[in-house]
Amino acid sequence: EAQVTQNPRYLITVTGKKLTVTCSQNMNHEYMSWYRQDPGLGLRQIYYSMNVEVTDKGDVPEGYKVSRKEKRNFPLILESPSPNQTSLYFCASSTPLGTINTQYFGPGTRLTVL
Amino acid sequence: TQLLEQSPQFLSIQEGENLTVYCNSSSVFSSLQWYRQEPGEGPVLLVTVVTGGEVKKLKRLTFQFGDARKDSSLHITAAQTGDTGLYLCAALPIDSNYQLIWGAGTKLIIKP
Repeated sequence: EAQVTQNPRYLITVTGKKLTVTCSQNMNHEYMSWYRQDPGLGLRQIYYSMNVEVTDKGDVPEGYKVSRKEKRNFPLILESPSPNQTSLYFCASSTPLGTINTQYFGPGTRLTVL
Repeated sequence: TQLLEQSPQFLSIQEGENLTVYCNSSSVFSSLQWYRQEPGEGPVLLVTVVTGGEVKKLKRLTFQFGDARKDSSLHITAAQTGDTGLYLCAALPIDSNYQLIWGAGTKLIIKP
């Protein structure tokens, strides 16, 4: 089954404790991205990757890191989480963006930073 | 900064009624997509529109792309409780193949 998986689904942590949210896709997609979703603000892109070893900042990259060592995996790293990073996070993958394509989203990771 | 404004932000109607949700911008886009998101899940693509004036139908849902490719509408006929969810529009700027612009969403509740 074609899918994007994220782990963990729920995470409560404390300020400053490094964490990683994993993302994996089995569709051989080149393009992957991370979003955060906050009430009234919609989806905001954090980072995206056009292929292995190619990553770039989205609209809200501060406080986040990513890596793309393999095509299927795109982990999101919070080196020193802060309460303003409490949010719902989504990983997505697709073929290279063009006029007609579909982004496939993971189920989301709800992060709370105390 | 390119913006996509969705309206209304929130809509609660009775089953059987019709409704229209709007997605507007001052920018021109090469394509526009509508997604539906249910609680606890990620957004799922409903439709992509590409040509100005294009109309696509998906059962009771009708999607239209504006003639100038700056706006879009989603019309639901005879809404059902299963239509409840967050509807998001996303558009691809004509000068980018890397980042979609997202609207903030319309939260739709259909009451039985």
